[in-house]
Amino acid sequence: QSALTQPPSASGSPAQSVTISCTGTSSDVGGYNYVSWYQQHPGKAPKLMIYEVSERPSGVPDRFSGSKSGNTASLTVSGLQAEDEADYYCSSYAGSDIWVFGGGTKLTVL
Amino acid sequence: EVQLVESGGGLVQPGGSLRLSCAASGFTFSSYWMHWVRQAPGKGLVWVSRINSDASSATYADSVKGRLTISRDNAKHTVSLQMNSLRAEDTAVYYCAMSYDYSNYAFDSWGQGALVTVSS
Repeated sequence: QSALTQPPSASGSPAQSVTISCTGTSSDVGGYNYVSWYQQHPGKAPKLMIYEVSERPSGVPDRFSGSKSGNTASLTVSGLQAEDEADYYCSSYAGSDIWVFGGGTKLTVL
Repeated sequence: EVQLVESGGGLVQPGGSLRLSCAASGFTFSSYWMHWVRQAPGKGLVWVSRINSDASSATYADSVKGRLTISRDNAKHTVSLQMNSLRAEDTAVYYCAMSYDYSNYAFDSWGQGALVTVSS
């Protein structure tokens, strides 16, 4: 049950795009299409942004998109806006009713 | 509207015990799995435990196995986390979470969190 690997930080200017990676193993990210992404603002509960690799819950802007290749999943935020500045976490189902999160990435909008 | 409200957090000495509860409303509680996720101060999210809808099965992260026990009362619409043999590294905000609207494998509903501080 090792944490998924995310870069600690990412940044971009308004209107630019940024991609955050999430690397696991064949036992979690690579083994299931059950990767999800969460946005967390300071002092707030996490918010689901992407589920099942690339699906967006209603109300989440289409500027947020997800993908996966092998053992690495990615979250792309296009057309960066100031309110996108937050911590982002990936999560994956790891089989046997166990889940694992990534260490988190702090996204800064310059 | 789904609502999850945690309670029971506080300060406890190392080796002590604490019981967290999560009161659920706005949905058919007995039909859904429930989870606990924690976040140490300034750190990332960590999945802790889940319990199935009829309480017949529970799973745990290796880091808490044998010390934390999840349970639920479908009549009272509550899920609990009994925390024993607490350590400093268990200090965290504990969130109750669930998969309600979308995927069974993603958490789309969260409580506001309950802070547990383990310190002498």
